[in-house]
Amino acid sequence: DGGITQSPKYLFRKEGQNVTLSCEQNLNHDAMYWYRQDPGQGLRLIYYSQIVNDFQKGDIAEGYSVSREKKESFPLTVTSAQKNPTAFYLCASSPRGRGVGGRDEQFFGPGTRLTVL
Amino acid sequence: DAKTTQPNSMESNEEEPVHLPCNHSTISGTDYIHWYRQLPSQGPEYVIHGLTSNVNNRMASLAIAEDRKSSTLILHRATLRDAAVYYCILRDSPSNTGKLIFGQGTTLQVKP
Repeated sequence: DGGITQSPKYLFRKEGQNVTLSCEQNLNHDAMYWYRQDPGQGLRLIYYSQIVNDFQKGDIAEGYSVSREKKESFPLTVTSAQKNPTAFYLCASSPRGRGVGGRDEQFFGPGTRLTVL
Repeated sequence: DAKTTQPNSMESNEEEPVHLPCNHSTISGTDYIHWYRQLPSQGPEYVIHGLTSNVNNRMASLAIAEDRKSSTLILHRATLRDAAVYYCILRDSPSNTGKLIFGQGTTLQVKP
């Protein structure tokens, strides 16, 4: 079945450690996104990519890094520079990237819950 | 970025219609109105979207005001599985990222 997978579902990290969250899609979508959600809040955009080998900072990119070497993969690294990394992380994709307006829906993965100990 | 305003919470009885309102007075002519919903500990799920005309799909209907400054998501017969947080979102204009700008949404409770 087509969809977005994120792994792991739960992740625990010690302070000072970097950790990488996986996001894979087999929908052949051009655009991919990473969001962060804190309890009781809406989602905030961390990074997005509209095409392979290109990505842009979102609203809260500090302390995070990404890569987009393959169309189907968009991993997110939470670095030790991120001051408050405990949150629910969501990956999404949509069929097309820049310039296509607001028509496309975004498809979300099941999320990774990161806890810093 | 244009913003939306929604009530924090609403209640409904099972099998009754639900009307979820959204105000977006600063909407631009090219912004699409999207609705997503999120169940606890899950990723958001697309519900419906529209530009100017009312829209129907298998999940819901979207009624858009003539001046586009407000819209209403209509669930025709609420079920317990419809209990979720509903987000009304204005999708970024054609020249930009396509990102979704989430507010706090409306928490819908459905009573049996």
